[in-house]
Amino acid sequence: LAKTTQPISMDSYEGQEVNITCSHNNIATNDYITWYQQFPSQGPRFIIQGYKTKVTNEVASLFIPADRKSSTLSLPRVSLSDTAVYYCLVGRTGGASKIIFGSGTRLSIRP
Amino acid sequence: NAGVTQTPKFQVLKTGQSMTLQCAQDMNHEYMSWYRQDPGMGLRLIHYSVGAGITDQGEVPNGYNVSRSTTEDFPLRLLSAAPSQTSVYFCASQDRGLRTDTQYFGPGTRLTVL
Repeated sequence: LAKTTQPISMDSYEGQEVNITCSHNNIATNDYITWYQQFPSQGPRFIIQGYKTKVTNEVASLFIPADRKSSTLSLPRVSLSDTAVYYCLVGRTGGASKIIFGSGTRLSIRP
Repeated sequence: NAGVTQTPKFQVLKTGQSMTLQCAQDMNHEYMSWYRQDPGMGLRLIHYSVGAGITDQGEVPNGYNVSRSTTEDFPLRLLSAAPSQTSVYFCASQDRGLRTDTQYFGPGTRLTVL
């Protein structure tokens, strides 16, 4: 299983763009990168998933360099409601491998 | 679709008691898993299942049993509750397609062991 490393916490202000970087040096060829968001007292919620280059959806963008040893989750123009814990996961799609969460990044947005 | 449902939402046990946390999903997902989350911490995988009749251990399996007799249900059994098992328990199911790998989480069960 590829181990991931993220900052423990980050602070930002409303309206700013927030970038959270995740390191995964031993990512395997078949591994995808997935990000989840968790609000207090709720289960995690899927945000975005990608394999290489750039993926964008209505919530966020995911940037993955050519070597795939890291990835960056980008949240444009954050609001107070983006205050949450963000988890980066690396693993194969399909198959029977277990899915392990790390400690995540606690993002705090201030007015 | 109800998605992933968990019961109960809250539970208080005394040390040594046993109980079963229920989890059900109506999305026909083969993969299901149980996590626990202690205050201020990330999620830790307890057990998981890749289909009916198949289960395996996660990171912290001791003190818990699981079974998977149907695709829909994946109950977690605490054999003899201990204060160290006080936590929030999340069940998840997953569509493990070749190009998508999204987990859907239940609302959680908050367990306190006295």
